[in-house]
Amino acid sequence: AQTVTQSQPEMSVQEAETVTLSCTYDTSESDYYLFWYKQPPSRQMILVIRQEAYKQQNATENRFSVNFQKAAKSFSLKISDSQLGDAAMYFCASSDTGRRALTFGSGTRLQVQP
Amino acid sequence: NAGVTQTPKFQVLKTGQSMTLQCAQDMNHEYMSWYRQDPGMGLRLIHYSVGAGITDQGEVPNGYNVSRSTTEDFPLRLLSAAPSQTSVYFCASSPSRGYGYTFGSGTRLTVV
Repeated sequence: AQTVTQSQPEMSVQEAETVTLSCTYDTSESDYYLFWYKQPPSRQMILVIRQEAYKQQNATENRFSVNFQKAAKSFSLKISDSQLGDAAMYFCASSDTGRRALTFGSGTRLQVQP
Repeated sequence: NAGVTQTPKFQVLKTGQSMTLQCAQDMNHEYMSWYRQDPGMGLRLIHYSVGAGITDQGEVPNGYNVSRSTTEDFPLRLLSAAPSQTSVYFCASSPSRGYGYTFGSGTRLTVV
């Protein structure tokens, strides 16, 4: 069974600075995908970034990038030039061949200070 | 293109009542799934489907029933509501496992 762990319940960052959210996962599969989702106060779930396990290169989407360490089963999210609109809950999730749906971590609440 | 549509957005039920949460997508996605979100616990998988006529249980399936008769619809049935089922429910769909899921806007359910 997959497990996803987010050990930081809350994080805070100053506007325009950089913050890194941590995530570790466990799976017995070799074929899997990893995701970061953002949930603002509107409660809508928004896909931020995805990573394919067989790709060595870390995914990047504008100000968002990941540090994917496959051997360590670590998948952290870096947000550069933080903006007030980045304030939200962030969830790490995985999907493998054993279960064709998402397994989520418990989330990290990110506050952005002006 | 409406994406994933969930109805209702809010619902209050009495203990023991039954109801169906509706989920429909217009993107011809094969994969659909239901999650519940409780404070401090992230989203937990209830049931999922990889195509019409195929469903499977997730982490927390007890008290819930699903069926998938069409590609578009994936309703979630609460058989006999309990206060422990008070939660926010999300439906999601995806064209494939690695593509990323599109979520509906959620249903806030309160069981009294």
